[in-house]
Amino acid sequence: QSALTQPASVSGSPGQSITISCTGTSSDVGGYNYVSWYQQHPGKAPKLMIYDVSNRPSGVSNRFSGSKSGNTASLTISGLQAEDEGDYYCSSYTSSRSCVFGTGTKVTVL
Amino acid sequence: EVQLVESGGGVVQPGGSLRLSCAVSGFTVSSNYMSWVRQAPGKGLEWASVINSDGSTYYADSVKGRFTISRDNSKNTLYLQMNSLRAEDTAVYYCVRESSSSWSKFDPWGQGTLVTVSS
Repeated sequence: QSALTQPASVSGSPGQSITISCTGTSSDVGGYNYVSWYQQHPGKAPKLMIYDVSNRPSGVSNRFSGSKSGNTASLTISGLQAEDEGDYYCSSYTSSRSCVFGTGTKVTVL
Repeated sequence: EVQLVESGGGVVQPGGSLRLSCAVSGFTVSSNYMSWVRQAPGKGLEWASVINSDGSTYYADSVKGRFTISRDNSKNTLYLQMNSLRAEDTAVYYCVRESSSSWSKFDPWGQGTLVTVSS
């Protein structure tokens, strides 16, 4: 199972909006509404930010939103803040009863 | 309070074995889907294995036949037995709960335990 494709890096100024893409196939992202997004700060465990494409767990800021079109899912961070810096990973359920993660995107707040 | 605490990591020679443990508090391991996710140094996340609440197990192709996931219901603990270890298995191993109704939804995560395979 190949990793989902994400841009290596995305940057934006405070207050701006950025979008991270996550491209897979019809056997994973395109085939199921089981896409999640995780935020990871250096030396820390990942934190769930979005699940089931667009649902936010309690406690996660509504500045984070998710969507999907075909084989590509997206995470949008609006009103970018310094604390949003970190690595972001998408994940998807797959047809082989496994899970695949994205390649990861480093978000930089300028 | 929900807590997952991994242990058992360390340095092992290629071809060796190691067993990771994940002690869970705040919920029942046997009633949940539990997974191991690993992250090689400076690299991305990789799903390794899951054990469902009915006891069925699944593995990534990269670890199939070498790793075994299991649980001890009396101790509320998850395990990962790792055999025939290779240099590419070097990673931080995280114990995570996976939702049984929202697959690939991993929450919460443990703090991770580092496994280093080196001679």
